[in-house]
Amino acid sequence: GIQVEQSPPDLILQEGANSTLRCNFSDSVNNLQWFHQNPWGQLINLFYIPSGTKQNGRLSATTVATERYSLLYISSSQTTDSGVYFCAVEKETSGSRLTFGEGTQLTVNP
Amino acid sequence: KAGVTQTPRYLIKTRGQQVTLSCSPISGHRSVSWYQQTPGQGLQFLFEYFSETQRNKGNFPGRFSGRQFSNSRSEMNVSTLELGDSALYLCASSWRAWQETQYFGPGTRLLVL
Repeated sequence: GIQVEQSPPDLILQEGANSTLRCNFSDSVNNLQWFHQNPWGQLINLFYIPSGTKQNGRLSATTVATERYSLLYISSSQTTDSGVYFCAVEKETSGSRLTFGEGTQLTVNP
Repeated sequence: KAGVTQTPRYLIKTRGQQVTLSCSPISGHRSVSWYQQTPGQGLQFLFEYFSETQRNKGNFPGRFSGRQFSNSRSEMNVSTLELGDSALYLCASSWRAWQETQYFGPGTRLLVL
């Protein structure tokens, strides 16, 4: 099946710093989503981005489908950005809906 | 529009029992998917239902089953519970069956003793 790798696994920042999270995937995909998992476990949608670039406030994402990777940028980080960030991909013929990476644990210190 | 809801939110069972979890999708959504999250295995796809038909199934034993009703609400059942079934079970919905944003519910935390 399709493999999804996220890096780094852990990231510790000071408030106000910028960061880049990476997601590599092993095959062409039809869909890619970024999520933030809050401390209570709920997955919050950040981006649906099978290709191209999108921005939402301090967050932006870029997917280069031909090179099989996606990047999530967080600028001017805040303590509320802490949590786990997941990348998930979908391939129509995979027999699965979303296949998740292992996540990046982000800690933003005040 | 109300989000995806899951009941119950927390559950404690003992080995050998069975459990049924419920998921109500966003109004108008016809696809419901289930995922299991554990510290060791991460987030794994269980199965997906679309218009009352199972569309895909992940690599889980037959003890894990599900169904979808005509109003798109879905239930999953786990029979003969094992300690390793302790997990956060997440449900997601979308309007179409693929290539579309999935929206997740708050999850059900199951503890098997």
